[in-house]
Amino acid sequence: GESVGLHLPTLSVQEGDNSIINCAYSNSASDYFIWYKQESGKGPQFIIDIRSNMDKRQGQRVTVLLNKTVKHLSLQIAATQPGDSAVYFCAENSYNAGNMLTFGGGTRLMVKP
Amino acid sequence: KAGVTQTPRYLIKTRGQQVTLSCSPISGHRSVSWYQQTPGQGLQFLFEYFSETQRNKGNFPGRFSGRQFSNSRSEMNVSTLELGDSALYLCASRIGLAGAQETQYFGPGTRLLVL
Repeated sequence: GESVGLHLPTLSVQEGDNSIINCAYSNSASDYFIWYKQESGKGPQFIIDIRSNMDKRQGQRVTVLLNKTVKHLSLQIAATQPGDSAVYFCAENSYNAGNMLTFGGGTRLMVKP
Repeated sequence: KAGVTQTPRYLIKTRGQQVTLSCSPISGHRSVSWYQQTPGQGLQFLFEYFSETQRNKGNFPGRFSGRQFSNSRSEMNVSTLELGDSALYLCASRIGLAGAQETQYFGPGTRLLVL
């Protein structure tokens, strides 16, 4: 079952290349940011998070960059694999909002073998 | 450790009916949040429950309600269903430490179709 929209921006990359997915957030008070991956028929899966006192955080094959000046977040995936094909969402949270996540619209990543 | 589970996975209802969806959080997690996902509106926050109390509520009509039990399991209810309520309903859980911004882990969702 499809769980995401039909008109998502799509990023198409070749297997083995690096991918960069971008996200603009709206609330300057947001201080916690998360990237989720959603495959067809599944719920969002946590990838990596970053707090506003950092501008970069690395995980396994993934890096998140945060630019608070322009309210921009990016997710870099190294050596993209077919299993990385999914829709990627950024989410923001501010302490004042409790634990209500505000999600971006999502980007569909397609990996060509 | 088992992840977040949601039941049922799929539902078909008709306009005017009501529906109840269930969510079991990860063991040890005390906070449960609900989100609605549609192609047009994306992922939107419905409400959060902690210790059987609603902590936060999104911008949805009163037809959407929820509750949490003492074992942290949660249910959400939608009354007088409308066609626009067709969506994937996602539940997410977190530990629930006071004052902490914690990662929320999502279940697979319940796909609701209103005819």
